[in-house]
Amino acid sequence: DAMVIQNPRYQVTQFGKPVTLSCSQTLNHNVMYWYQQKSSQAPKLLFHYYDKDFNNEADTPDNFQSRRPNTSFCFLDIRSPGLGDAAMYLCATSRDRSDTDTQYFGPGTRLTVL
Amino acid sequence: AQKITQTQPGMFVQEKEAVTLDCTYDTSDQSYGLFWYKQPSSGEMIFLIYQGSYDEQNATEGRYSLNFQKARKSANLVISASQLGDSAMYFCAMRPLTGNQFYFGTGTSLTVIP
Repeated sequence: DAMVIQNPRYQVTQFGKPVTLSCSQTLNHNVMYWYQQKSSQAPKLLFHYYDKDFNNEADTPDNFQSRRPNTSFCFLDIRSPGLGDAAMYLCATSRDRSDTDTQYFGPGTRLTVL
Repeated sequence: AQKITQTQPGMFVQEKEAVTLDCTYDTSDQSYGLFWYKQPSSGEMIFLIYQGSYDEQNATEGRYSLNFQKARKSANLVISASQLGDSAMYFCAMRPLTGNQFYFGTGTSLTVIP
């Protein structure tokens, strides 16, 4: 089945220790998104790639970076995680960016910062 | 400004009964898409149903239907014959034609009671 896959499902890191979260998709979608979701809140968009074109949200901290080496894979790098970065990180894809394009989400990676 | 409002933080429904989850939106775009997602405690965002702003008929997907009232800017989700597995957080989202992102509401936590 075509899907969005995230690894790992759970990640524990230490304060200040860089961490990378991975997302892959078999849907062959042009757009890949990264969201941060804290407990009992709506997902918050960090950035997205439209093909190779990177689009950062204005309020995304510099501590968060992303890479998309090919259509299938996208990575979220947190350079120096703080306690406030503990959250669920959701990857999503959509075929394009029009109002009719559904976003399909992966299962998420739950990040704990010690 | 684009905004989604879900006014019900928590809802309870008896098993096998129907339940309506409210969603209102605000946008100046003439064309937009409306989406509902289910998020169980595991964290994955599961796409449920889509309604286009120009669709004249209400969308239906199995036990899910969307009560779309364009003049009132509302897009309520109706779940018929509730099941225990429907217990989850439900998010309403809008994707306008302009701009790149989804706008999410704050979610409604649904609990199905046996």
